[in-house]
Amino acid sequence: EAGVTQSPTHLIKTRGQQATLRCSPISGHTSVYWYQQALGLGLQFLLWYDEGEERNRGNFPPRFSGRQFPNYSSELNVNALELEDSALYLCASSLVGTGSYNEQFFGPGTRLTVL
Amino acid sequence: DAKTTQPPSMDCAEGRAANLPCNHSTISGNEYVYWYRQIHSQGPQYIIHGLKNNETNEMASLIITEDRKSSTLILPHATLRDTAVYYCIVRNSNFGNEKLTFGTGTRLTIIP
Repeated sequence: EAGVTQSPTHLIKTRGQQATLRCSPISGHTSVYWYQQALGLGLQFLLWYDEGEERNRGNFPPRFSGRQFPNYSSELNVNALELEDSALYLCASSLVGTGSYNEQFFGPGTRLTVL
Repeated sequence: DAKTTQPPSMDCAEGRAANLPCNHSTISGNEYVYWYRQIHSQGPQYIIHGLKNNETNEMASLIITEDRKSSTLILPHATLRDTAVYYCIVRNSNFGNEKLTFGTGTRLTIIP
């Protein structure tokens, strides 16, 4: 069974540009989560998509946005990049509605560097 | 979700049991304890979770105190590949609260 995949592995942008990160969930998973891990900081929740809808959002400005496609893959867009957006962006997927059990499977991440 | 407190770092000799503590004194009745780990620059990996009973799987054991205010993750025979940051997370199972709130975790170093 293929795990969560993310692309690209690395992305270098300059301040003010836009970045697009992609995630493919595990087959059968309908939920996709995005997390940011900046250097020296912990993992911070960004966004949760399920069945094509944004279900929850972390404490990030509106220039962080995304979407989920009918095949459940997802895209994270970061507009007007700032230096502090440099981080490892992790995507996770899970089943939903499984009661207490909500194991999130994480991808390898996309390392975004803003110059 | 309740907050958790973990020691910032721990060492353990290879082959010994690694016992990682977590304090979650404000945990409420419907909140579960989850453990994840993150090996350097990789995505976090689920280890185990529990509500109030002790749990064991092929990776680890989870011991939750009777008052549920603290727990211990046990890696029975630590190997060098267990060197990672271990996160203790508390969350409820209500729909709409699917996010994981990671703290700073414990950096476990397995020493040869």
